[in-house]
Amino acid sequence: DSGVTQTPKHLITATGQRVTLRCSPRSGDLSVYWYQQSLDQGLQFLIQYYNGEERAKGNILERFSAQQFPDLHSELNLSSLELGDSALYFCASSVDMGGDSSYGYTFGSGTRLTVV
Amino acid sequence: AQSVTQLGSHVSVSEGALVLLRCNYSSSVPPYLFWYVQYPNQGLQLLLKYTSAATLVKGINGFEAEFKKSETSFHLTKPSAHMSDAAEYFCAVSVQGGSQGNLIFGKGTKLSVKP
Repeated sequence: DSGVTQTPKHLITATGQRVTLRCSPRSGDLSVYWYQQSLDQGLQFLIQYYNGEERAKGNILERFSAQQFPDLHSELNLSSLELGDSALYFCASSVDMGGDSSYGYTFGSGTRLTVV
Repeated sequence: AQSVTQLGSHVSVSEGALVLLRCNYSSSVPPYLFWYVQYPNQGLQLLLKYTSAATLVKGINGFEAEFKKSETSFHLTKPSAHMSDAAEYFCAVSVQGGSQGNLIFGKGTKLSVKP
């Protein structure tokens, strides 16, 4: 158990639908990162939140959004789903004190999204 | 801008043989470098990291990596492969700010171990 909890582990939904993925970071970590992993695109950075505020944005589609709540858990919302959105979605957390990136990330076990 | 290149998307070795997974980085500032391992149907797990202390870094499961500034490399090695080492390995370099988050990952190298 890495300390980063992601739910649900598996999700099957139809095209056009909306889903919410949830992440609870490791205790004490202020930063949460979302990644999408697919066979053709590899590991793609989506977005980072630090202590409730958006800090960095990567290749996140406009149909996707995220937020981090006061208790530091984060949700990734995916809407108008397409077949191509089928992927593993990972959440990671880090201490990220003062922007120090030497700590690395702790990853959750991911949510496997299948869009049919 | 920082970037990471992993040479070889697939590497196959025999059990007991040397494992060498290659990673080259590009960074305009002294980097922090990481190796992660992903076993099937699991998340990424930190193997080891270089944060400007010793250039030879030892990690979990017998892996180590050497930071070579002159070659801008951070190759991952293990003297003797075990079947349990079969997994995908990702090299990553840290960045500060920017649109790519704090860590930039390579495309990964899938390691197969033959009996």
